[in-house]
Amino acid sequence: DAKTTQPPSMDCAEGRAANLPCNHSTISGNEYVYWYRQIHSQGPQYIIHGLKNNETNEMASLIITEDRKSSTLILPHATLRDTAVYYCIVSASSGYSTLTFGKGTMLLVSP
Amino acid sequence: KAGVTQTPRYLIKTRGQQVTLSCSPISGHRSVSWYQQTPGQGLQFLFEYFSETQRNKGNFPGRFSGRQFSNSRSEMNVSTLELGDSALYLCASSLEGGMNTEAFFGQGTRLTVV
Repeated sequence: DAKTTQPPSMDCAEGRAANLPCNHSTISGNEYVYWYRQIHSQGPQYIIHGLKNNETNEMASLIITEDRKSSTLILPHATLRDTAVYYCIVSASSGYSTLTFGKGTMLLVSP
Repeated sequence: KAGVTQTPRYLIKTRGQQVTLSCSPISGHRSVSWYQQTPGQGLQFLFEYFSETQRNKGNFPGRFSGRQFSNSRSEMNVSTLELGDSALYLCASSLEGGMNTEAFFGQGTRLTVV
């Protein structure tokens, strides 16, 4: 599985956009990029995923570079409830639904 | 629709005992995966079941086992518990599994081994 690299922590002011980067330079052509987040003591929550094109849903936007070696998760208007650990994951190339979690980025949204 | 339900939420067991955890996936989901989360190792994949068959397995000892029933509900069992098995055990369900699909996690079962 492709390895991902994320900053250990980031800060964001409430109401501002939070841009969380992720490097995945060894990603294979058929591997998807997933983002999940985990609020303290809860199960991880799916946010968004994509293959090549940028994606947007009601929670966030995912920007994947043309060479697919990195991506950015954008929370357009961060709230205090967005404080969580954010995981960038590259799906297993085996095709099965196995998620390999790294250490993620702890995003702290402050008033 | 109802989410993924894990029972029990909390459990305390003694070393050497065995434990069974239960997971009810979202209705219609056929893939169920199990993960272990500890402060030291983070979230680690245990195994995945699809249509009552184990389809993928992580790097855990044979003391960790699971099964899936015809209604897609799944159980995992840990035998001969060790102190290091204390963790949050998470279950995730998805429609078919595979790469282009999202997984939905339950709240987890927090197991403490004393």
